[in-house]
Amino acid sequence: QSVLTQPPSVSAAPGQKVTISCTGGRSNIGNNYVSWYQQVPGSAPKLLIYDNNQRPSGIPDRFSGSKSGTSGTLGITGLQTGDEADYYCGTWDSNLSAWLFGGGTKLTVL
Amino acid sequence: QVQLQESGPGVVKPSQTLSLTCIVSGASISSGHYYWNWIRQPAGKGLEWIGRIYASGSANHNPSLKSRLTISVDTSKNQFSLTLNSVTAADTAVYYCTAQWLGEDYWGQGTLVTVSS
Repeated sequence: QSVLTQPPSVSAAPGQKVTISCTGGRSNIGNNYVSWYQQVPGSAPKLLIYDNNQRPSGIPDRFSGSKSGTSGTLGITGLQTGDEADYYCGTWDSNLSAWLFGGGTKLTVL
Repeated sequence: QVQLQESGPGVVKPSQTLSLTCIVSGASISSGHYYWNWIRQPAGKGLEWIGRIYASGSANHNPSLKSRLTISVDTSKNQFSLTLNSVTAADTAVYYCTAQWLGEDYWGQGTLVTVSS
């Protein structure tokens, strides 16, 4: 069981918006930046968001991130079938001196 | 563009030692620009961070693996390595090496390691 809690699955129709939550605690999300990764089956994960809300070069602005307290949120607008993937949050835990991943959320675009 | 390639045996016997190396190209480990990570993923399951090392040799480890784990760096060969002792079937996974710093995040293709007799 992950220290960072994500919903196992979310779904929405093409063109719609979806949000994925990631809930942790004071020692991890509460005091550190949140990152988000996308993993298409059979491929390595790809960084979508870092430092809570920053997009790496090449990531479209349909992807956004935010943080409030001990929770982070990934938002995806204008859903496309190509967005179907597993999404993971990640952050540093200051008590453990270790990086944590959430359990992952499977996005289905209906 | 940083490229990473994992290398090592695909099968390890239970109770033995798993050793993987990540060969880095397109960047110098000794430049001190990135954290060099190991991450694994059992089939059908989520990501698990194993540990990371910096160019200086300073390392952080997953507490659940720390007693069995060694991560090292060889700047002369521009590579870093993972050694995991006393493996069991629970260590069967795809193992990734990555380079990370802020918005820069590079992954190897991953290598499947199966623990089986």
